[in-house]
Amino acid sequence: DVKVTQSSRYLVKRTGEKVFLECVQDMDHENMFWYRQDPGLGLRLIYFSYDVKMKEKGDIPEGYSVSREKKERFSLILESASTNQTSMYLCASSQGQGIHEQYFGPGTRLTVT
Amino acid sequence: GEDVEQSLFLSVREGDSSVINCTYTDSSSTYLYWYKQEPGAGLQLLTYIFSNMDMKQDQRLTVLLNKKDKHLSLRIADTQTGDSAIYFCADLLGSARQLTFGSGTQLTVLP
Repeated sequence: DVKVTQSSRYLVKRTGEKVFLECVQDMDHENMFWYRQDPGLGLRLIYFSYDVKMKEKGDIPEGYSVSREKKERFSLILESASTNQTSMYLCASSQGQGIHEQYFGPGTRLTVT
Repeated sequence: GEDVEQSLFLSVREGDSSVINCTYTDSSSTYLYWYKQEPGAGLQLLTYIFSNMDMKQDQRLTVLLNKKDKHLSLRIADTQTGDSAIYFCADLLGSARQLTFGSGTQLTVLP
């Protein structure tokens, strides 16, 4: 059974804190993705990675960075959290290019106060 | 860039058919997808259609694609309360790795 896990379901942080969100997949997938989900805006891609140490900016990378040191793990970093980064964060993984299905984790609800 | 649009809400009665619509802007879409998100969960792939197809049927689900109008729809026959969820349309451009998602349609099934 395929699995994408995220380190926390709920997280509350203060403005200015450094925040790490971790994602792990057990399917040996090449690609990993970080999205944020906001009501009425759908899923917006923050960053994705197609190989270890490789990363590509998505549609809304500002205020975020990522790290992929091992194939199975993809981390999203908020260097200095702000209230407008309060959101649901979803991680996904997929294999190769083209049609392959994206598998999603359950999401992390981040609140920045 | 690519833009994928959906209406935000749809309500239907249990047992009726639901039709969720989606439009996209880039004609180089190769695959189009429907994902379902149940409360408190991530997204799960429901079905997909290749861009050279007009229709795909999978049990209670029917996907229709009008390439000329760049319009995709998902029909759910005999809608049940368990079908209440958010449905996302997404497309893949060329041989890209990333998808572009719509805003999601919240389907509410009334008893």
